Amino acid sequence: SQTIHQWPATLVQPVGSPLSLECTVEGTSNPNLYWYRQAAGRGLQLLFYSVGIGQISSEVPQNLSASRPQDRQFILSSKKLLLSDSGFYLCAWSRAESSTDTQYFGPGTRLTVL
Amino acid sequence: GQQLNQSPQSMFIQEGEDVSMNCTSSSIFNTWLWYKQDPGEGPVLLIALYKAGELTSNGRLTAQFGITRKDSFLNISASIPSDVGIYFCAGRSGGSNYKLTFGKGTLLTVNP
Repeated sequence: SQTIHQWPATLVQPVGSPLSLECTVEGTSNPNLYWYRQAAGRGLQLLFYSVGIGQISSEVPQNLSASRPQDRQFILSSKKLLLSDSGFYLCAWSRAESSTDTQYFGPGTRLTVL
Repeated sequence: GQQLNQSPQSMFIQEGEDVSMNCTSSSIFNTWLWYKQDPGEGPVLLIALYKAGELTSNGRLTAQFGITRKDSFLNISASIPSDVGIYFCAGRSGGSNYKLTFGKGTLLTVNP
């Protein structure tokens, strides 16, 4: 069976500090990978998605970036965090076949920028 | 961009009552998904719908893919306290192979 992990679970960072959030998927190959942010208002905002190693599509201009160094690893980064970067960050995966596009979410990372 | 209108935004019900929530879109979707999110956790898939008119059940949950392909509803029968959480609908249109559009969620509170 497939599992998705996110690390760390919670993080408190000062403004201006760097960020690195990690997401890994087990039990599947060549998944599509996604990063979402969920603010206090509950909606999910798609930040990045990737259909393969080194292939990143950005949905929202911001000071965040994403990378996919390995097939089942997706990393969300920032060089300098802003207060507005606080939120709940969710990683998700889906199978590469376009007819099966259900997304499965990880447990999330709670980021607080002070 | 595409938008999903999910209603109601919140519900307060008594244990044992039935619940209904729905999502509507101005554009056609090929897939409808329903998720539940518990506090501090990631959303968990409840039901996936892939065909117009499809009616699918998962225990006490039932969801339908609207015949017009522009709406979907989720029903929960005989609610219990552990049904508390935020329920999200999500849809995928034919023009987007990878991206889902999410509703803003329905916050369900069940009073025992």
